[in-house]
Amino acid sequence: AQTVTQSQPEMSVQEAETVTLSCTYDTSESNYYLFWYKQPPSRQMILVIRQEAYKQQNATENRFSVNFQKAAKSFSLKISDSQLGDTAMYFCAFMNYGGATNKLIFGTGTLLAVQP
Amino acid sequence: DGGITQSPKYLFRKEGQNVTLSCEQNLNHDAMYWYRQDPGQGLRLIYYSQIVNDFQKGDIAEGYSVSREKKESFPLTVTSAQKNPTAFYLCASSIRDRYTDTQYFGPGTRLTVL
Repeated sequence: AQTVTQSQPEMSVQEAETVTLSCTYDTSESNYYLFWYKQPPSRQMILVIRQEAYKQQNATENRFSVNFQKAAKSFSLKISDSQLGDTAMYFCAFMNYGGATNKLIFGTGTLLAVQP
Repeated sequence: DGGITQSPKYLFRKEGQNVTLSCEQNLNHDAMYWYRQDPGQGLRLIYYSQIVNDFQKGDIAEGYSVSREKKESFPLTVTSAQKNPTAFYLCASSIRDRYTDTQYFGPGTRLTVL
């Protein structure tokens, strides 16, 4: 069974600085998707970034980028120029590529606080 | 605007009652999902549906039921058999394309058992 582990329950960063959130996963599959979702205090789950495992190039979305290390089964999220609005719970998630269920498997989350 | 709506935002249930959570989407997505979120945990899949009139159990389906009579709607009923229903419930939808499947979420419903 696939598992997703986020080992940092809480993190803090100063506004305008850079922070990296860690995520590791365990799977025997070779093709899959990885996601980072953001859940602000409103509790709306918002997609931040997506990575296809077959792509070697790391995904980027504006200030958000990932470091995808397939052999190490690691998928970290880097937030550059942190803003107060980035304060949220961040979840890493895994989905099997072409699987029957398209089920997302989530980690337990990292609570990020951006300090002014 | 296109999106996913959930209602109500807050719901209170007495012991022994069944309650139904609404989820509607106008994104023309084929697949819909229900997740449960508890404090300190990630989301766990309750039920999912990839097409109208068809749905499958997820990891924690006991005490829940669903229907999918319309493409746009996927209501979740929390029955009295669910032993610990107090949680935050999130509905999601995605295009039914197994190779480009990104799920988008509604705003959620907070259910509290009195």
